[in-house]
Amino acid sequence: GAVVSQHPSWVICKSGTSVKIECRSLDFQATTMFWYRQFPKQSLMLMATSNEGSKATYEQGVEKDKFLINHASLTLSTLTVTSAHPEDSSFYICSATGGNGANVLTFGAGSRLTVL
Amino acid sequence: TQLLEQSPQFLSIQEGENLTVYCNSSSVFSSLQWYRQEPGEGPVLLVTVVTGGEVKKLKRLTFQFGDARKDSSLHITAAQPGDTGLYLCAGLFGNEKLTFGTGTRLTIIP
Repeated sequence: GAVVSQHPSWVICKSGTSVKIECRSLDFQATTMFWYRQFPKQSLMLMATSNEGSKATYEQGVEKDKFLINHASLTLSTLTVTSAHPEDSSFYICSATGGNGANVLTFGAGSRLTVL
Repeated sequence: TQLLEQSPQFLSIQEGENLTVYCNSSSVFSSLQWYRQEPGEGPVLLVTVVTGGEVKKLKRLTFQFGDARKDSSLHITAAQPGDTGLYLCAGLFGNEKLTFGTGTRLTIIP
């Protein structure tokens, strides 16, 4: 079946630094990928929709300059958390459509970011 | 923004008991999915329901889509510790992106 890989699975960084998280579709092409944020014991909140070859579409309240998204190829989207602060600590999850049919999302295993 | 309310928010029961989790919205879904998520991992799709009144079974799990396509339920029979996890419903409204429910955290006590 379709597989989405996220890297790194966990990262710890100092406040003020930038962190890049990669999301790859391993065996299918994903024209659309989604980035979510999940706080402990809560549901997934959609941050942005990443479209290959075009600008990402951000949800209301998500800072575009804070969370940079690049979807340079049909198999890779990246999320960069710029000038990270402790409040950016969270579990970030990506997903992609196209691997198991329309409107079926395949999720990555998530990336846990801790900002000290 | 569509809102999907799940209930209960938390549920802790003994192994072998039955349980039902609900997902409700004021809007009509085009389709609805149920996911299970374990700590430190991404959600895993359990089922997709499309037709009002549809019932799908996955071993001890029974999923039902409401006739009006505004609600859904997940029933687990003879719960086992391996069923522990965060259960999420996610609805597709028209051609928009999936909206996730508030989640139900289930703990099965051996």
